[in-house]
Amino acid sequence: DAGVTQSPTHLIKTRGQHVTLRCSPISGHKSVSWYQQVLGQGPQFIFQYYEKEERGRGNFPDRFSARQFPNYSSELNVNALLLGDSALYLCASSPTGSAGGYTFGSGTRLTVV
Amino acid sequence: GENVEQHPSTLSVQEGDSAVIKCTYSDSASNYFPWYKQELGKGPQLIIDIRSNVGEKKDQRIAVTLNKTAKHFSLHITETQPEDSAVYFCAAPDAPSYDKVIFGPGTSLSVIP
Repeated sequence: DAGVTQSPTHLIKTRGQHVTLRCSPISGHKSVSWYQQVLGQGPQFIFQYYEKEERGRGNFPDRFSARQFPNYSSELNVNALLLGDSALYLCASSPTGSAGGYTFGSGTRLTVV
Repeated sequence: GENVEQHPSTLSVQEGDSAVIKCTYSDSASNYFPWYKQELGKGPQLIIDIRSNVGEKKDQRIAVTLNKTAKHFSLHITETQPEDSAVYFCAAPDAPSYDKVIFGPGTSLSVIP
């Protein structure tokens, strides 16, 4: 079975631009969570979706938004990019909305210049 | 919300020795404590977890102990091998729904051959 897949793996954007990151969960998993990992730090929670509903939101500005599609895949959108948005963006899927059973993808490395 | 602290930030051990990483958490209602291993260029991988109704759990060379009274839990790796070199993160669920996890800052473990 395929694991959690994220695309793209790397991208470079200019300040002020917009970016869309994509995540496909493990087949059968209905929950997707997004985390931001700045170099040298632990992942920081951004969003959780379960059954296409937002279940939780971390302490991130409104420039960050996400959605989950009927097939349970998800997109993370970031508007008006800042240099500080440069990070590894991780997607985790789990069978239910509970914290247990997270499987992470390899992430998308975003660099803002 | 939950606050997770982790020590040490870096740890070097000789191959074959044991390694211990300690974490503390702030929310006494937390009931699930996972440990993740992150290798370079990859997302975090769940290696072991423990729920609050047990004090210790083992899986081959890896064990986790939990002290709910003191609100701390530890990862123990015995007979370390070079492939154990990675960054390790502890985590704990966050109120109010406890369906997302808050990560510690990480411990970079180096196993010297």
